Amino acid sequence: EAQVTQNPRYLITVTGKKLTVTCSQNMNHEYMSWYRQDPGLGLRQIYYSMNVEVTDKGDVPEGYKVSRKEKRNFPLILESPSPNQTSLYFCASTNTHRGGGEKLFFGSGTQLSVL
Amino acid sequence: EDQVTQSPEALRLQEGESSSLNCSYTVSGLRGLFWYRQDPGKGPEFLFTLYSAGEEKEKERLKATLTKKESFLHITAPKPEDSATYLCAVQANSGNTDKLIFGTGTRLQVFP
Repeated sequence: EAQVTQNPRYLITVTGKKLTVTCSQNMNHEYMSWYRQDPGLGLRQIYYSMNVEVTDKGDVPEGYKVSRKEKRNFPLILESPSPNQTSLYFCASTNTHRGGGEKLFFGSGTQLSVL
Repeated sequence: EDQVTQSPEALRLQEGESSSLNCSYTVSGLRGLFWYRQDPGKGPEFLFTLYSAGEEKEKERLKATLTKKESFLHITAPKPEDSATYLCAVQANSGNTDKLIFGTGTRLQVFP
């Protein structure tokens, strides 16, 4: 089954404790992206990757890091989480060569709470 | 400033009562407009892509249309299983890259 898998589903942590949210897709997609979803603000892009070893900032990259060492995996790293990073996070991928918004496959989300 | 606005924020319909959701946008260089459906506790699911004014797409009880300033998602004779949040997103040309902007969604409830 074609899917984007994120882990963990729920995460509660404390300020400053490094964490990683994993994302994996089994569709051989080149384009992958991370979003955060906050009430009243909609989905906002954090980082995206057009291919292996190619990553770029989205609209809200501050406080986040990503890496793309393999085509299927695109982990999101918070090196020193802060309470304002409490949010619902989604990983997404697509096979359209321009990436963007068409036919994005989204994971089920990671609800992160930073205390 | 590029902006995507969806209305209404929430909509309650009786089963069979047709209606429309609106997505208005102000962007420079529209590349495409996308509709997604999001169920509670899940990620958004792709519905439609529209590229140019006058274009229409249909899927079951849903029909998406596009003008130069807005898009409508028409829901004909909705059923309770159509209850979800519907998201609109616009891909716009921003300098030498494309930018994807999501609206905040319309939460649709269809009751029997």
